[in-house]
Amino acid sequence: SQTIHQWPATLVQPVGSPLSLECTVEGTSNPNLYWYRQAAGRGLQLLFYSVGIGQISSEVPQNLSASRPQDRQFILSSKKLLLSDSGFYLCAFSLGEGGQYFGPGTRLLVL
Amino acid sequence: GENVEQHPSTLSVQEGDSAVIKCTYSDSASNYFPWYKQELGKGPQLIIDIRSNVGEKKDQRIAVTLNKTAKHFSLHITETQPEDSAVYFCAASRMDSSYKLIFGSGTRLLVRP
Repeated sequence: SQTIHQWPATLVQPVGSPLSLECTVEGTSNPNLYWYRQAAGRGLQLLFYSVGIGQISSEVPQNLSASRPQDRQFILSSKKLLLSDSGFYLCAFSLGEGGQYFGPGTRLLVL
Repeated sequence: GENVEQHPSTLSVQEGDSAVIKCTYSDSASNYFPWYKQELGKGPQLIIDIRSNVGEKKDQRIAVTLNKTAKHFSLHITETQPEDSAVYFCAASRMDSSYKLIFGSGTRLLVRP
């Protein structure tokens, strides 16, 4: 069966510092991968998705970027964090013809 | 673009009662409709889904209905239990190559013991 991992689980970073969140999927190949952000008590905002290695689609203009250096690895980055980047970041994968499956999330607090 | 509206935003029921959450979608090309349950501090969990060629699907105490003509779909939870308390999200997808989901805004369900 497939599993999805995210780390770190929580992160506290100062404004202006860089960010790197990692997501990996096990037990499958060539999944679609997604990054979402969820503000406290709010819905899910799709940030980026990838249909293959090196292929990134951005859904909203922002301070973040994404990369997919390997088939089952998806990275969310920022060069300089803003206060507004705080939130709960979720990675998900899809095998097609079915739903998306979410990781445990990373809670980011920018101070 | 595609929009999914979800109601109610909060729902409080007595243990043992039924709960119904409703969603409407705007893109008539949508053909896949999953429902997610999110517990506090965790990632959303897929609990049931339905495709456009089916009108109803049931899994134990959970059922989903779809009305393609009206572009409505609903989640029904029967015999609710305190552990059903969570935030529930509906979503819709065209199932194109991106398999992107458009999510509703969520319903916070509280089951009172």
